[in-house]
Amino acid sequence: QTVVTQEPSLTVSPGGTVTLTCASSTGAVTSGYYPMWFQQKPGQAPRSLIHSATNKHSWTPARFSGSLLGGKAALTLSGAQPEDEAEYYCLLYYGGSQGVFGGGTKLTVL
Amino acid sequence: QVQLQESGPGLVKPSQTLSLTCTVSGGSINSGDYYWTWVRQPAGKGLEWIGRIHTKGATNYNPSLRSRVTISLDTSQNQISLRLSSVTAADTAVYYCARQMSDWGQGTLVTVSS
Repeated sequence: QTVVTQEPSLTVSPGGTVTLTCASSTGAVTSGYYPMWFQQKPGQAPRSLIHSATNKHSWTPARFSGSLLGGKAALTLSGAQPEDEAEYYCLLYYGGSQGVFGGGTKLTVL
Repeated sequence: QVQLQESGPGLVKPSQTLSLTCTVSGGSINSGDYYWTWVRQPAGKGLEWIGRIHTKGATNYNPSLRSRVTISLDTSQNQISLRLSSVTAADTAVYYCARQMSDWGQGTLVTVSS
């Protein structure tokens, strides 16, 4: 069974920088997994921030960026704001067709 | 701008079939090159990818659910349907539909209980 692993929790200071990662049990994450990143706040539907590893949506704040780093997908938040406190999920596609979410990272801005 | 709205019974008995619809407004589900995806989330837990259907009808399912799940398009109603058979308490969750994983519905809670 394919497992996608994220840090369970991270803490960042206001104005600080933090990187969340997304690893695959099958090996290195590449652009062929079409990595996506989502932000979810309590009681809300997830909101896509990044698609295809590095691409932002029109609504994605500039302080968020996506990359491939050391065999993992990564989401970097530069200049954290209190409103960035949320759960973050990555999604990888296997064989281009089967999606698997990571377990999520609870990000605290403190 | 496209909007998605999930609907269906909030309570389903064990062993029965869960049926949900995702009604789309602001766009036609059979135009363009889109994947319509169902995702679920048990209370307090993470997201689970259930499966998706392409505008042209091709489907992909989560292997762990494949034997029980069917996703289909109803172009006359501009809806995407989800059917999950033989449900158990483990299927209790908020169910979301999404277009290209970028436009999401608000989700609908389904509880499996007798």
